[in-house]
Formats: sequence, C-alpha cells, structure tokens
Amino acid sequence: NAGVTQTPKFRILKIGQSMTLQCTQDMNHNYMYWYRQDPGMGLKLIYYSVGAGITDKGEVPNGYNVSRSTTEDFPLRLELAAPSQTSVYFCASSYRTFGNYGYTFGSGTRLTVV
Amino acid sequence: AQTVTQSQPEMSVQEAETVTLSCTYDTSESDYYLFWYKQPPSRQMILVIRQEAYKQQNATENRFSVNFQKAAKSFSLKISDSQLGDAAMYFCAYRSAKSRGSQGNLIFGKGTKLSVKP
Repeated sequence: NAGVTQTPKFRILKIGQSMTLQCTQDMNHNYMYWYRQDPGMGLKLIYYSVGAGITDKGEVPNGYNVSRSTTEDFPLRLELAAPSQTSVYFCASSYRTFGNYGYTFGSGTRLTVV
Repeated sequence: AQTVTQSQPEMSVQEAETVTLSCTYDTSESDYYLFWYKQPPSRQMILVIRQEAYKQQNATENRFSVNFQKAAKSFSLKISDSQLGDAAMYFCAYRSAKSRGSQGNLIFGKGTKLSVKP
C-alpha cells in the first residue's frame, strides 16, 4: 500500500528551466492537492482537483500548471522557474472533501531554483 | 474566509513532561472539522488527531488529546509523557463541512516547532 508517491525528492533548477513534479496515489481518491511549504509560512494551496479532468486554482497558482488525466496521477508543472519557487512541495489526496477525512500526504519534493 | 492561527512558533518540553500547543481559528460556520498534523524532520505529514465540531467530547489518541472550545474557537493539542520522537513541526488545520468546490479544502496554520529535551 504505497499511498501517495512523489518524485523526485530533491531537485535543483536553474532560473528559466521547466520541470514536472510527479504525484500518484493508489487509494482511488478523487480529490488531490498540491501545496507548497515555505519556512514559517505553513502550507499554501497551489492547485487542487476533484476528479479526473477537473482542476482548479488554489491560493498561489501563479507560475504553475496541473493536469489530471487519470484518477491516480496529478502532476505539477513549473514553467520558467524563478527563485521565488524555491520551496518544499507536497502532494496530497483525500477520500472526500466532507466529513472528518484528513489528507494523505506524499513525502514532499525539495526544490531549489538558482 | 476561514483562517487558522498558531501563535507559538516554537515550544520546548522536557522528556516525560506535558506540553500544550495552541491553535485558534476564525470561521462563521457552525459545522466543520479540525485536525492536528505532525511533520518530523523526515518531512512526512502525519495525521495526529481530528475533531468534529458537532461533538462536545474532546478527541483523544493515546498520549495526544485536544481541548476543543467551540465558543472560543480554540483547538489546542496536549501531548502527555513527551518522547524524543515527538519532536516535530505541528500544524493545526481546519476543514469546512461544506463540500462544494474549494470549501472542503484543508486550511493550515503556520505551525509550531516542538523540541523535546532529554
């Protein structure tokens, strides 16, 4: 039972480069999320998805794109990386958005843009 | 919009002692859910405990318990018999009971870093 798997765990990008952070879950959860975590700032929602083919912006979507072609996968795309995108990125999934269901998180990706 | 505030950026506790982490939230809703997550140095986010707002009884999970004061909009986490493995960042989170669109998303506080002294 793998839960939520994120790859890579670490990455260094140069300014202007692009990359995709991969996220896959094997729990058949419809709801998936991308958060970024900056020191002292908690977790901020970038994008979320309520099911395959449906995505929506969160609090800090600028500079990012997502897609959800399958229930299992929810990749996050960074175009034209900037130093402000240096952060730890978490993918999460949830069985439902109501009820006392929490999120299941991946182990995070530490991204540094230089 | 709902907000979650953790007013203690850092806390410290002696091993085997008890510590309480504070969390307050702002909402106009009457039905919602509250959570505490633990993030050890491994970065993995681990659900510690959850509370339904409609339940008056405080949730308990082994050495972890909450003091839920709905009128005061307070949701503190008490860790009893602290262990070295409890050292971590702790995040308080809020989720609306509404399920449409972004309303069901978790809203996090900024976290409290807990150190445990041997």
